[in-house]
Amino acid sequence: AQSVTQLDSQVPVFEEAPVELRCNYSSSVSVYLFWYVQYPNQGLQLLLKYLSGSTLVKGINGFEAEFNKSQTSFHLRKPSVHISDTAEYFCAVLTRMRNTPLVFGKGTRLSVIA
Amino acid sequence: NAGVTQTPKFQVLKTGQSMTLQCAQDMNHNSMYWYRQDPGMGLRLIYYSASEGTTDKGEVPNGYNVSRLNKREFSLRLESAAPSQTSVYFCASSGLNTGELFFGEGSRLTVL
Repeated sequence: AQSVTQLDSQVPVFEEAPVELRCNYSSSVSVYLFWYVQYPNQGLQLLLKYLSGSTLVKGINGFEAEFNKSQTSFHLRKPSVHISDTAEYFCAVLTRMRNTPLVFGKGTRLSVIA
Repeated sequence: NAGVTQTPKFQVLKTGQSMTLQCAQDMNHNSMYWYRQDPGMGLRLIYYSASEGTTDKGEVPNGYNVSRLNKREFSLRLESAAPSQTSVYFCASSGLNTGELFFGEGSRLTVL
């Protein structure tokens, strides 16, 4: 079975500083990888996804993530954060098998400090 | 632009009461899901329905039942609510098996 580990539960960062949110996964088969964002009192929305092809994936709001198969990682980065990026971020993995549901990590709360 | 609609948004129950959370999607998606979100636990899958007419248990199904009423609707029932079921519940749907889920805004349930 697949699993996802988000290495930091909380990440405080100053406005305009860079940030990296770390995600590692384990799976015995090929996977698709995702980052979702949850703003306060809202549902989750897709930030970016890796299905195949280029290992560097760009998403909305200036975020990007890099798939590293050898390290089984999919870290999320942004070169300069804004106050509006304050949210909870979830990494998720889906195996390339029919009808298996998405598995989420426990989330990383990003707090951007003015 | 409704997407995924959940009702109710808030509910307070007493221990032992029953209730049903309703979910409907208008995107013609095959798959639908119910998750619960608790602090520090992330999202945990309760039940899912890969297609109309099928349902499967997720990680935390105990104390819950589901019904896939038709392609649009997927309801979650608590037969005898317990304080441990106090949580925020999210319904989601997806089309092809590419992992892109579309979420409702959540239903906050408190069991006293």
